[in-house]
Formats: sequence, C-alpha cells, structure tokens
Amino acid sequence: KQEVTQIPAALSVPEGENLVLNCSFTDSAIYNLQWFRQDPGKGLTSLLLIQSSQREQTSGRLNASLDKSSGRSTLYIAASQPGDSATYLCAVRPMIYNQGGKLIFGQGTELSVKP
Amino acid sequence: DTEVTQTPKHLVMGMTNKKSLKCEQHMGHRAMYWYKQKAKKPPELMFVYSYEKLSINESVPSRFSPECPNSSLLNLHLHALQPEDSALYLCASSQRTVQGPRELFFGEGSRLTVL
Repeated sequence: KQEVTQIPAALSVPEGENLVLNCSFTDSAIYNLQWFRQDPGKGLTSLLLIQSSQREQTSGRLNASLDKSSGRSTLYIAASQPGDSATYLCAVRPMIYNQGGKLIFGQGTELSVKP
Repeated sequence: DTEVTQTPKHLVMGMTNKKSLKCEQHMGHRAMYWYKQKAKKPPELMFVYSYEKLSINESVPSRFSPECPNSSLLNLHLHALQPEDSALYLCASSQRTVQGPRELFFGEGSRLTVL
C-alpha cells in the first residue's frame, strides 16, 4: 500500500532563507508526483508536476526534484517571502490507479515565513 | 484559463435538508473529481468521473450523490447528512491522455456545515 510522508510537519523560517521541504513515498511505481500549496480555508493550488521519467521541474523560485528509485521528492523554495506561508502538500499518482486518477497525499508541511 | 469554479462557497444545512454543490470548468478536461477535506488533514478522494461516467466511488455513503450532466459540470447532491460530514468539499479536474490523467487543478472549495 502506497504511503506518502512529509517532513517536517511544520517549519518556521525568517524571510529570505532558502528552504527545502521533503516528501517520501513507499512504492516507486508511480506515474507522477504533484506539489500543491494550500492557504487556510482555501483550495489547493498546483505548483509543480513531475512525471516519473523526469528528475526535476522549476517554476520561478520553486524547484522540485524526484528520485523515484529512493522514493523521495524535495521542494526547494529560494529566497522565501512571507507570502509563501501556507501548507505544502505532495501527492503521488500510483501506477495501479493511473487510469482512475487517484492521488495519494502526504499530511503536508505547514510553512511560516516571518518578516 | 486554469480555473475550477465551485458554488456555493459556504453552505449551512440541517440534517433533513437537501442541497447541492456545483463545480464548473472550461479547460476541456474530461476527468472531474470530488474530494473531502477535514481540518488539518489532506484531501480524501470521494468520486472520479471520466468522460462523464463514474469511474471511482471510494465507498462513499449514499447520502452523497454525484452527478456529471456534461463535460464541464459536476454536482454533488447532499441529503440527510450528519454533523460529521461538515468539511471543505473540493472539486478538481484534469486532462486525460492516452497515458492517463495529467495535472490536477482544484477549485476553492465549498465549506459545508451540517447542524
């Protein structure tokens, strides 16, 4: 059974720091991995999607990497800003569910960036 | 346009009421999803529609009844709900390719309170 773990559960950093959020999954048979951001009481905003054949994706100050063989992904945020404060969720799409589109989510990392 | 629109944003209902949540997307996506999210937890999949047909039902109680009238619309009909059904209900959509579903896009959610 696929399980997704995110460490740390919460993180507080001063503005300007570079930071790394971690996501690990137990079964490497995935179709893709997606990182989301969620502000309190709001929906999920897609940040980056990495297909299983890719090693990384970049969007602005965000860079996500994927090491499928070791079951790990990292989300790197450069020069953090208070507006980056949110909960970050990673989700994998297992191969077995590919046609159905089911995502398995981690519990999320709650990020607070202090001015 | 990467927008998924959900209405209403907030809904309060009694246990004997019948209400509906609505979701709309105009991205041409042929897979649409309902998720339920409790506070401080990741989203949980409820239903998946693929090409307007129900493809996944995650053993959801029959008091939740999904409907996909056309490729742009997804409804969730609610009847005889329980207070523990209070949650944020999220709609999502994704493109479907021969390799399966692609990136998921979420709406802002409908906050449901059952009294």
